[in-house]
Amino acid sequence: YVLTQPPSVSVAPGQTARITCGGNNIGSKIVHWYQQKPGQAPVLVVYDDSDRPSGIPERFSGSNSGDTATLTISRVEAGDEADYYCQVWDGSSDHWVFGGGTRLTVL
Amino acid sequence: QLQLQESGPGLVKPSETLSLTCIVSGDSISSSSSYWGWIRQPPGKGLEWIGSIYFSGSTYHNPSLKSRVTISVDTSKNQFFLKLSSVTPADTAVYYCARHNPQYSYDSSGFGGWGQGTLVTVSS
Repeated sequence: YVLTQPPSVSVAPGQTARITCGGNNIGSKIVHWYQQKPGQAPVLVVYDDSDRPSGIPERFSGSNSGDTATLTISRVEAGDEADYYCQVWDGSSDHWVFGGGTRLTVL
Repeated sequence: QLQLQESGPGLVKPSETLSLTCIVSGDSISSSSSYWGWIRQPPGKGLEWIGSIYFSGSTYHNPSLKSRVTISVDTSKNQFFLKLSSVTPADTAVYYCARHNPQYSYDSSGFGGWGQGTLVTVSS
């Protein structure tokens, strides 16, 4: 199962960033999203398509339908600049799959 | 507060076996709700799941690595382990251990806790 993310997304501070994750009928799967800043471990920012772990700002939200899942970051801040990865469980071969990652640049 | 810490050699020779330990604190590895996983990231590249283990010893592996991977657990020490055999320079990566605590189905909840990662270089 292949997850496709755009390599990069750029957005000005205060605007909304949308990072997509494409996969065949991904809407039938549960999607998780991670943020990774340089030199740091990934951090779960959205799980189960649209839920946020405690401590993650409400500015982070997720949706999942059809062939595309989307991580939306509202009112983007400089501190949101990072790589973002989507993840699903491929039940057909029993393994976790990550997308290739998207680098978010805050202009 | 959950903490995970990877430990092991930072340099492994080609064809040898990479061995890493993940020391878990702040949670019992025998927790009936948690799975424990290994994920790696080659320099400048994306994340790749290696495999996961339940405290009972049941495991899942990435099909692309399965024949070379052994994941085990020592509940008495609250640690779990990764062995990757016959390594090549392509196995050079930062290796992370992480906890997966699914709330209602195995594919739910994601990996909510990660270690800081350890760089393993495969070189002669």
